[in-house]
Amino acid sequence: DIQMTQSPSSLSASVGDRVTITCRASQSISSYLNWYQQKPGKPPKLLVYAASSLQSGVPSRFSGSGSGTDFTLTISGLQPEDFATYYCQQSYSTPYMYTFGQGTNLEIK
Amino acid sequence: QVQLVQSGAEVKKPGASVKVSCKASGYTFASYDINWVRQATGQGLEWMGWMNPNSGNTGYAQKFQGRVTMTRNTSISTAYMELSSLRSEDTAVYYCVRMYYSNYGYYYYYMDVWGKGTTVTVSS
Repeated sequence: DIQMTQSPSSLSASVGDRVTITCRASQSISSYLNWYQQKPGKPPKLLVYAASSLQSGVPSRFSGSGSGTDFTLTISGLQPEDFATYYCQQSYSTPYMYTFGQGTNLEIK
Repeated sequence: QVQLVQSGAEVKKPGASVKVSCKASGYTFASYDINWVRQATGQGLEWMGWMNPNSGNTGYAQKFQGRVTMTRNTSISTAYMELSSLRSEDTAVYYCVRMYYSNYGYYYYYMDVWGKGTTVTVSS
Protein backbone atom coordinates (compact mmCIF):
# COMPACT_ATOMS: atom_id res chain seq x y z
CA ASP A 1 0.00 0.00 0.00
CA ILE A 2 1.10 3.55 -0.69
CA GLN A 3 1.68 5.59 2.47
CA MET A 4 1.37 9.36 2.54
CA THR A 5 3.36 11.37 5.06
CA GLN A 6 2.77 15.05 5.66
CA SER A 7 5.09 17.50 7.37
CA PRO A 8 4.89 19.30 9.57
CA SER A 9 2.00 17.85 11.59
CA SER A 10 1.27 21.30 12.93
CA LEU A 11 2.37 24.77 12.00
CA SER A 12 1.95 28.23 13.52
CA ALA A 13 1.93 31.23 11.24
CA SER A 14 0.69 34.81 11.05
CA VAL A 15 -1.70 36.53 8.69
CA GLY A 16 0.22 37.54 5.59
CA ASP A 17 2.84 34.79 5.91
CA ARG A 18 3.78 32.38 3.16
CA VAL A 19 3.55 28.78 4.30
CA THR A 20 4.46 25.47 2.71
CA ILE A 21 3.13 22.04 3.61
CA THR A 22 4.89 18.96 2.33
CA CYS A 23 3.48 15.55 1.41
CA ARG A 24 5.66 12.57 0.60
CA ALA A 25 4.49 9.31 -0.97
CA SER A 26 6.11 5.97 -0.15
CA GLN A 27 6.47 5.32 -3.89
CA SER A 28 6.10 7.34 -7.04
CA ILE A 29 2.55 8.50 -7.71
CA SER A 30 3.28 10.71 -10.71
CA SER A 31 0.93 13.70 -10.31
CA TYR A 32 -1.97 11.80 -8.73
CA LEU A 33 -2.07 14.00 -5.65
CA ASN A 34 -4.91 16.09 -4.24
CA TRP A 35 -5.07 18.63 -1.40
CA TYR A 36 -8.03 19.35 0.87
CA GLN A 37 -8.77 21.92 3.54
CA GLN A 38 -10.93 21.12 6.55
CA LYS A 39 -12.33 23.46 9.17
CA PRO A 40 -13.75 22.26 12.49
CA GLY A 41 -17.18 20.67 12.19
CA LYS A 42 -17.16 20.84 8.40
CA PRO A 43 -16.42 18.33 5.66
CA PRO A 44 -13.17 18.74 3.76
CA LYS A 45 -13.00 21.03 0.76
CA LEU A 46 -11.03 20.29 -2.40
CA LEU A 47 -8.27 22.83 -3.07
CA VAL A 48 -5.90 21.29 -5.61
CA TYR A 49 -6.10 18.20 -7.80
CA ALA A 50 -3.59 16.50 -10.09
CA ALA A 51 -0.82 18.02 -7.93
CA SER A 52 -1.08 21.55 -9.32
CA SER A 53 -4.56 22.24 -10.74
CA LEU A 54 -6.53 24.70 -8.66
CA GLN A 55 -10.15 23.73 -8.08
CA SER A 56 -12.67 26.25 -9.36
CA GLY A 57 -13.41 28.98 -6.84
CA VAL A 58 -10.28 28.41 -4.77
CA PRO A 59 -8.25 31.61 -4.24
CA SER A 60 -5.07 31.94 -6.27
CA ARG A 61 -2.96 32.30 -3.11
CA PHE A 62 -3.16 28.51 -2.92
CA SER A 63 -0.83 26.57 -5.18
CA GLY A 64 0.37 22.99 -5.46
CA SER A 65 3.49 21.52 -6.99
CA GLY A 66 5.50 18.34 -7.23
CA SER A 67 5.50 14.98 -8.91
CA GLY A 68 6.80 11.52 -8.18
CA THR A 69 7.08 11.24 -4.42
CA ASP A 70 7.38 14.83 -3.17
CA PHE A 71 4.65 17.44 -3.22
CA THR A 72 3.98 20.83 -1.67
CA LEU A 73 0.99 23.00 -0.96
CA THR A 74 1.87 26.68 -0.67
CA ILE A 75 -0.32 29.45 0.68
CA SER A 76 1.00 32.88 -0.26
CA GLY A 77 -0.31 35.61 1.99
CA LEU A 78 -2.22 33.79 4.71
CA GLN A 79 -5.72 35.04 5.38
CA PRO A 80 -7.64 34.51 8.64
CA GLU A 81 -9.94 32.01 6.94
CA ASP A 82 -6.97 29.82 5.94
CA PHE A 83 -6.34 28.56 9.46
CA ALA A 84 -7.50 24.97 9.18
CA THR A 85 -6.25 21.41 8.75
CA TYR A 86 -4.86 20.37 5.39
CA TYR A 87 -4.73 16.86 3.97
CA CYS A 88 -3.03 15.38 0.96
CA GLN A 89 -4.46 12.33 -0.80
CA GLN A 90 -3.11 10.06 -3.50
CA SER A 91 -5.26 8.71 -6.32
CA TYR A 92 -2.61 6.61 -8.06
CA SER A 93 -3.24 3.14 -6.71
CA THR A 94 -5.04 0.61 -8.89
CA PRO A 95 -7.34 -0.90 -7.98
CA TYR A 96 -8.45 2.34 -6.47
CA MET A 97 -7.22 3.07 -2.97
CA TYR A 98 -7.26 6.72 -2.05
CA THR A 99 -4.93 7.10 0.91
CA PHE A 100 -4.82 10.34 2.90
CA GLY A 101 -1.91 11.91 4.69
CA GLN A 102 -2.28 12.36 8.43
CA GLY A 103 -3.03 16.07 8.16
CA THR A 104 -1.31 19.37 8.94
CA ASN A 105 -2.94 21.69 11.45
CA LEU A 106 -2.27 25.32 10.54
CA GLU A 107 -2.73 27.57 13.56
CA ILE A 108 -2.56 31.28 14.17
CA LYS A 109 0.67 32.45 15.80
CA GLN B 1 -26.73 22.56 -7.26
CA VAL B 2 -24.75 19.37 -6.84
CA GLN B 3 -25.19 17.95 -3.37
CA LEU B 4 -25.07 14.80 -1.31
CA VAL B 5 -27.56 14.55 1.54
CA GLN B 6 -26.79 11.98 4.22
CA SER B 7 -29.03 10.30 6.74
CA GLY B 8 -29.12 11.31 10.36
CA ALA B 9 -27.02 10.40 13.36
CA GLU B 10 -27.06 6.85 14.66
CA VAL B 11 -26.34 5.28 18.03
CA LYS B 12 -25.56 1.56 17.99
CA LYS B 13 -24.47 -1.09 20.42
CA PRO B 14 -21.26 -3.05 19.93
CA GLY B 15 -21.77 -5.94 17.55
CA ALA B 16 -24.65 -4.27 15.72
CA SER B 17 -24.68 -2.95 12.14
CA VAL B 18 -25.34 0.53 10.80
CA LYS B 19 -26.50 1.57 7.34
CA VAL B 20 -25.92 5.16 6.23
CA SER B 21 -27.60 6.61 3.15
CA CYS B 22 -26.42 9.30 0.79
CA LYS B 23 -28.83 10.88 -1.70
CA ALA B 24 -27.32 12.61 -4.71
CA SER B 25 -28.91 15.47 -6.60
CA GLY B 26 -27.94 18.02 -9.21
CA TYR B 27 -26.01 15.62 -11.44
CA THR B 28 -26.28 12.21 -13.11
CA PHE B 29 -25.83 9.81 -10.22
CA ALA B 30 -24.51 6.97 -12.37
CA SER B 31 -21.70 9.03 -13.85
CA TYR B 32 -19.34 9.29 -10.85
CA ASP B 33 -18.15 6.90 -8.17
CA ILE B 34 -19.27 7.43 -4.61
CA ASN B 35 -16.60 7.01 -1.94
CA TRP B 36 -16.93 6.78 1.81
CA VAL B 37 -14.49 8.43 4.21
CA ARG B 38 -14.67 8.45 7.98
CA GLN B 39 -13.17 10.61 10.68
CA ALA B 40 -13.00 9.85 14.37
CA THR B 41 -13.12 12.82 16.72
CA GLY B 42 -9.84 14.73 16.60
CA GLN B 43 -8.37 12.30 14.07
CA GLY B 44 -7.55 12.37 10.38
CA LEU B 45 -9.48 11.23 7.33
CA GLU B 46 -9.71 7.50 6.65
CA TRP B 47 -10.76 6.24 3.23
CA MET B 48 -13.10 3.25 3.42
CA GLY B 49 -13.96 2.35 -0.15
CA TRP B 50 -15.67 3.20 -3.42
CA MET B 51 -18.73 2.18 -5.39
CA ASN B 52 -19.56 2.68 -9.04
CA PRO B 53 -23.28 3.56 -9.14
CA ASN B 54 -23.59 2.44 -12.75
CA SER B 55 -22.22 -1.09 -12.40
CA GLY B 56 -22.48 -1.57 -8.65
CA ASN B 57 -18.80 -2.54 -8.57
CA THR B 58 -17.06 -1.83 -5.31
CA GLY B 59 -13.60 -1.69 -3.77
CA TYR B 60 -12.87 -1.59 -0.07
CA ALA B 61 -9.88 -0.66 2.03
CA GLN B 62 -8.29 -3.79 3.40
CA LYS B 63 -9.04 -2.68 6.94
CA PHE B 64 -12.78 -2.88 6.29
CA GLN B 65 -12.90 -5.97 4.04
CA GLY B 66 -15.57 -8.35 5.32
CA ARG B 67 -17.29 -5.72 7.45
CA VAL B 68 -18.36 -3.04 4.98
CA THR B 69 -20.85 -3.22 2.12
CA MET B 70 -21.53 -0.39 -0.30
CA THR B 71 -24.66 -0.52 -2.43
CA ARG B 72 -26.95 1.78 -4.36
CA ASN B 73 -30.47 2.32 -5.59
CA THR B 74 -30.19 4.11 -8.90
CA SER B 75 -33.95 4.76 -9.12
CA ILE B 76 -33.66 7.18 -6.20
CA SER B 77 -30.02 8.24 -6.75
CA THR B 78 -29.00 6.97 -3.35
CA ALA B 79 -25.87 5.22 -2.14
CA TYR B 80 -25.58 3.20 1.04
CA MET B 81 -22.75 2.15 3.31
CA GLU B 82 -23.35 -0.62 5.79
CA LEU B 83 -20.78 -1.42 8.46
CA SER B 84 -21.25 -4.54 10.58
CA SER B 85 -19.80 -5.95 13.80
CA LEU B 86 -19.49 -2.46 15.18
CA ARG B 87 -17.01 -1.70 17.94
CA SER B 88 -16.27 1.45 19.89
CA GLU B 89 -13.43 2.32 17.53
CA ASP B 90 -16.00 2.74 14.74
CA THR B 91 -17.40 5.82 16.47
CA ALA B 92 -16.82 8.52 13.88
CA VAL B 93 -18.33 10.88 11.34
CA TYR B 94 -18.94 9.08 8.05
CA TYR B 95 -18.86 11.10 4.82
CA CYS B 96 -20.05 10.14 1.38
CA VAL B 97 -18.11 11.83 -1.36
CA ARG B 98 -18.40 12.17 -5.12
CA MET B 99 -15.26 11.15 -6.95
CA TYR B 100 -14.95 13.44 -9.94
CA TYR B 101 -12.35 13.10 -12.66
CA SER B 102 -10.52 15.13 -15.27
CA ASN B 103 -8.98 13.71 -18.41
CA TYR B 104 -5.53 15.13 -19.16
CA GLY B 105 -4.60 12.17 -21.29
CA TYR B 106 -4.77 10.21 -18.07
CA TYR B 107 -7.72 10.24 -15.69
CA TYR B 108 -7.15 12.20 -12.50
CA TYR B 109 -9.62 11.43 -9.72
CA TYR B 110 -10.49 13.74 -6.85
CA MET B 111 -13.22 14.21 -4.26
CA ASP B 112 -15.07 17.36 -5.23
CA VAL B 113 -18.43 17.12 -3.43
CA TRP B 114 -18.83 15.96 0.17
CA GLY B 115 -21.91 15.19 2.21
CA LYS B 116 -22.22 16.92 5.57
CA GLY B 117 -21.40 13.70 7.40
CA THR B 118 -23.30 11.22 9.56
CA THR B 119 -22.24 10.72 13.15
CA VAL B 120 -22.21 7.09 14.21
CA THR B 121 -21.74 6.41 17.90
CA VAL B 122 -21.04 2.90 19.12
CA SER B 123 -21.65 2.52 22.82
CA SER B 124 -23.02 -0.06 25.19
